[in-house]
Amino acid sequence: QVQLVESGGGVVQPGRSLRLSCAASGFALSNSAIHWVRQAPGKGLEWVAATSHDGNKENYADSVKGRFTIARDDSKDTLYLQMISLRGEDTAVYFCARDVSTKPDHYYGMDVWGQGTTVTVSS
Amino acid sequence: EIVLTQSPATLSLSPGERATLSCRVSQSISYYLAWYQQKPGQAPRLLIYDASNRATGIPARFSGSGSGTDFTLTISSLEPEDFAVYYCQQRANWPITFGPGTRVDIK
Repeated sequence: QVQLVESGGGVVQPGRSLRLSCAASGFALSNSAIHWVRQAPGKGLEWVAATSHDGNKENYADSVKGRFTIARDDSKDTLYLQMISLRGEDTAVYFCARDVSTKPDHYYGMDVWGQGTTVTVSS
Repeated sequence: EIVLTQSPATLSLSPGERATLSCRVSQSISYYLAWYQQKPGQAPRLLIYDASNRATGIPARFSGSGSGTDFTLTISSLEPEDFAVYYCQQRANWPITFGPGTRVDIK
């Protein structure tokens, strides 16, 4: 069964760091572009970051650029989102999602989503 | 950054009725638009990509149209499970951006 499972969320103080994980099963992460999307409580969807199919390119939302970094371990079929200098506005459910495109450097839409992991930034 | 505007914010309809949701984009994005459905407590579900291509497993009552700056998601006859929030999303330029959503609720 094709699925993604996020973990690593929790409550963290402002300014601290957290690393989220996204484990893939039923498909090879190495052939997939993966996105992180977040949703603040009661709000809409906000795209956060993406890594390309080959893992060599990354893109970030301006709101997280310089603070969040994607890393991937294809041998473990796991993607990570390293978050530093966390702020209250980073409080959200974080989803990882696979892009439906299998064409390198093409991103059509997100067809497989995890269940999300909750990050709360609060003192 | 490309800005997406969805209208209406809320659509109140009865099962069996036709739903027409609009997504307007701040600059031309060709056909590079996707639509998602999200129910409370669940992850979004991809319905349509590249304006008019239904994702795998999506029923034929969902259809997408449009290009440039104006896009439409149509649900031809609402089923009880279709009452949810719908988001559009552009992939033409980085950063990827989503619209604010349209809530379709039961009249």
